[in-house]
Amino acid sequence: DQQVKQNSPSLSVQEGRISILNCDYTNSMFDYFLWYKKYPAEGPTFLISISSIKDKNEDGRFTVFLNKSAKHLSLHIVPSQPGDSAVYFCAASGDSGGGADGLTFGKGTHLIIQP
Amino acid sequence: GAGVSQSPRYKVAKRGQDVALRCDPISGHVSLFWYQQALGQGPEFLTYFQNEAQLDKSGLPSDRFFAERPEGSVSTLKIQRTQQEDSAVYLCASSLGLGSYEQYFGPGTRLTVT
Repeated sequence: DQQVKQNSPSLSVQEGRISILNCDYTNSMFDYFLWYKKYPAEGPTFLISISSIKDKNEDGRFTVFLNKSAKHLSLHIVPSQPGDSAVYFCAASGDSGGGADGLTFGKGTHLIIQP
Repeated sequence: GAGVSQSPRYKVAKRGQDVALRCDPISGHVSLFWYQQALGQGPEFLTYFQNEAQLDKSGLPSDRFFAERPEGSVSTLKIQRTQQEDSAVYLCASSLGLGSYEQYFGPGTRLTVT
């Protein structure tokens, strides 16, 4: 049973437009959420995170929104750039609390930025 | 500073062979995690160390998998009597420690069992 779900395997967006990647979770014990970006043959790179006590976190072109009641989060990238083309993973933490447990990942969304 | 490094980057093993995968975490990082990533899937948690103590090994798929971090720095993931289903990318991540959720990943070791 997948506790973190990314229902869109791929997403194509025009350069300069907004990219919105979605993620749903089922475990109400999760208290921290992270987004990772992955290029082929490389490990995941940390992008941005959000604590469950917040509903928004912004870092440059990247914003993560959290809707706890819907158990849903989204990553907004604006404006989208060609270098943003990668696989994006949503991950959650919190079964043990305090970062002392492994992350639970979704299956990823392959973002393709069209020129 | 240097990130997480892993070696070897690629490993081909015949079924039944033992393999050892190495992880060098970021200097000063207390926590170390191992993940397994199958093709087309997200990483799946295997085990977690805080310094040299293995605090969680609930994700290890069988008793053929063994991990250690004897001096609280470098870690080794060992797989005995490899099977074809062990073929995957093995990722290591480290973090500062308790209270720090962000994990920083190495490039992974791609294991192919033939």
